[in-house]
Amino acid sequence: DTGVSQDPRHKITKRGQNVTFRCDPISEHNRLYWYRQTLGQGPEFLTYFQNEAQLEKSRLLSDRFSAERPKGSFSTLEIQRTEQGDSAMYLCASSSQGADTQYFGPGTRLTVL
Amino acid sequence: AQSVSQHNHHVILSEAASLELGCNYSYGGTVNLFWYVQYPGQHLQLLLKYFSGDPLVKGIKGFEAEFIKSKFSFNLRKPSVQWSDTAEYFCAVNAGSTNAGKSTFGDGTTLTVKP
Repeated sequence: DTGVSQDPRHKITKRGQNVTFRCDPISEHNRLYWYRQTLGQGPEFLTYFQNEAQLEKSRLLSDRFSAERPKGSFSTLEIQRTEQGDSAMYLCASSSQGADTQYFGPGTRLTVL
Repeated sequence: AQSVSQHNHHVILSEAASLELGCNYSYGGTVNLFWYVQYPGQHLQLLLKYFSGDPLVKGIKGFEAEFIKSKFSFNLRKPSVQWSDTAEYFCAVNAGSTNAGKSTFGDGTTLTVKP
């Protein structure tokens, strides 16, 4: 399967712990996006990269959140000192250029107890 | 700022009924428009997209959508739904330029098709 992959698929953590998620985009795609989706809502944009450069960050992305794409391939999203409000599905998508179609991964479902 | 509004939160139809899901967007410039579908237990998949040209676009599984610029709308249609169309449908928009980044999504419409 050459689609977008995400790991882990599910994460349960206690409030205050740090978590890290990984996304592997489609190999030839230079853009990578992170979204968050809560129940009953559509995906909300968090941040995106072109190659290794982080080009935009949403105001939703507090200072507890950090994302990296060090070599322009896979990306990680880290949440420090998790809160119950961080419970959501975290989606990764990739595309070959700015306006082109974004292809989504299966998501990582985070539950903060 | 971009915004997307999907008018119907939950639609229930019988098989063979016709479907139309509304989507309106707010953005002052050129846009690219998308409909995504999420089947139960699966991830978001592209159903169809509009970038330019013919405002009536056809997608997979018999779906189509019409871009009406004057109404800022991109409604999704299917003449005859099947039970397998039961899913959540999301309309999305991004700025129509090579520097476009994020997509803005509506809150989705859950479609239930009764056999």
